[in-house]
Amino acid sequence: SQELEQSPQSLIVQEGKNLTINCTSSKTLYGLYWYKQKYGEGLIFLMMLQKGGEEKSHEKITAKLDEKKQQSSLHITASQPSHAGIYLCGAVTISNFGNEKLTFGTGTRLTIIP
Amino acid sequence: GAGVSQSPSNKVTEKGKDVELRCDPISGHTALYWYRQRLGQGLEFLIYFQGNSAPDKSGLPSDRFSAERTGESVSTLTIQRTQQEDSAVYLCASSLGLSGQGNQPQHFGDGTRLSIL
Repeated sequence: SQELEQSPQSLIVQEGKNLTINCTSSKTLYGLYWYKQKYGEGLIFLMMLQKGGEEKSHEKITAKLDEKKQQSSLHITASQPSHAGIYLCGAVTISNFGNEKLTFGTGTRLTIIP
Repeated sequence: GAGVSQSPSNKVTEKGKDVELRCDPISGHTALYWYRQRLGQGLEFLIYFQGNSAPDKSGLPSDRFSAERTGESVSTLTIQRTQQEDSAVYLCASSLGLSGQGNQPQHFGDGTRLSIL
């Protein structure tokens, strides 16, 4: 089964600073999703990456997919308090029957301090 | 509704009781997923429904867990004879459905926080 390792597990960053979160897969990545979760709430879809080398941005968040390294990174520029939360990467696995499932990493808890 | 709706938002029950959790997916979404998230841990896949196909139950942790879905609408997750280790947030997600290419993002509800006393 596919396993996803996220690093770091937790991160404390001063407001305004940049940061990077990594997600490494034990198997080939066919699709990689990034979600954000706030305590007590569901997951908010951020971005989906499908192709090696693909890079997407939304506001101050940029995600890249390095297919060869089976890795994705999420970069936040000029962090703000609203960025605080748990960031989860999810990898798509597709069975022989075409069933799609997401396997999630254990998450990175981001805290923004003033 | 505009998003995935789950009810109840919180459920506290005694060990040994049965509980039923409900999920209303986004209208038009044919795929529906249930996940479990224990405190401080990642999401654990439980079950997946896609249209009229047989559900993928490979993630259900024991036979005390079951789920149903009527057509492409509401789903219920039932836990029988609850145990304390069942305490977790149960998240439901839906997506536009099977593409076989992993390019349909899942949209999540806010979850049901289940506490077993």
